[in-house]
Amino acid sequence: DAGVIQSPRHEVTEMGQEVTLRCKPISGHDYLFWYRQTMMRGLELLIYFNNNVPIDDSGMPEDRFSAKMPNASFSTLKIQPSEPRDSAVYFCASSPISSGYYGYTFGSGTRLTVV
Amino acid sequence: AQTVTQSQPEMSVQEAETVTLSCTYDTSESDYYLFWYKQPPSRQMILVIRQEAYKQQNATENRFSVNFQKAAKSFSLKISDSQLGDAAMYFCAYKWSGGGADGLTFGKGTHLIIQP
Repeated sequence: DAGVIQSPRHEVTEMGQEVTLRCKPISGHDYLFWYRQTMMRGLELLIYFNNNVPIDDSGMPEDRFSAKMPNASFSTLKIQPSEPRDSAVYFCASSPISSGYYGYTFGSGTRLTVV
Repeated sequence: AQTVTQSQPEMSVQEAETVTLSCTYDTSESDYYLFWYKQPPSRQMILVIRQEAYKQQNATENRFSVNFQKAAKSFSLKISDSQLGDAAMYFCAYKWSGGGADGLTFGKGTHLIIQP
């Protein structure tokens, strides 16, 4: 089991550019979560999916953010256009069930820097 | 909404000593899970220990143990025989056990420093 795989590990982009972050969850995990980590706000849940369907996107900060899960093994988080305040570490996590019994398995995160 | 509070932004301990990290939470639910995650400089979030609210017995994983006080809504992590590899950010997290997966709620974290 390779765990949750995120790419890229680091991303530096210019303000106004489109950024796409990618995630491959653990096979068999029906729940996928996107989190953002900043010094000021800590770890925030942005959106989560169940069986590829977005269930709650109330944490998405604004319309510039969008997430998709076209199949069980792939999800993207897109920011268009990007702004310097979007600079953060973005984590993807997955879980086999909804109750949280097993906790979540996190990827290594993508550090996004918008200049 | 649930909240998780870690009141110690930073803690320091001598190698081989014992340290306790504090966490309190607020919820109206009776059935939930609590977690401690470790985030070393590599950035990876690693699950350290898990506690089920309906179990009175405190969870233990090798050198890591918790003191779970449900009535006080307190969930502290004790690290015994501290090692240099324990240096990291530690996050306390809460998850309601009901269906609907509303995600883990995290505290702001405690930075643990191990003095050699």
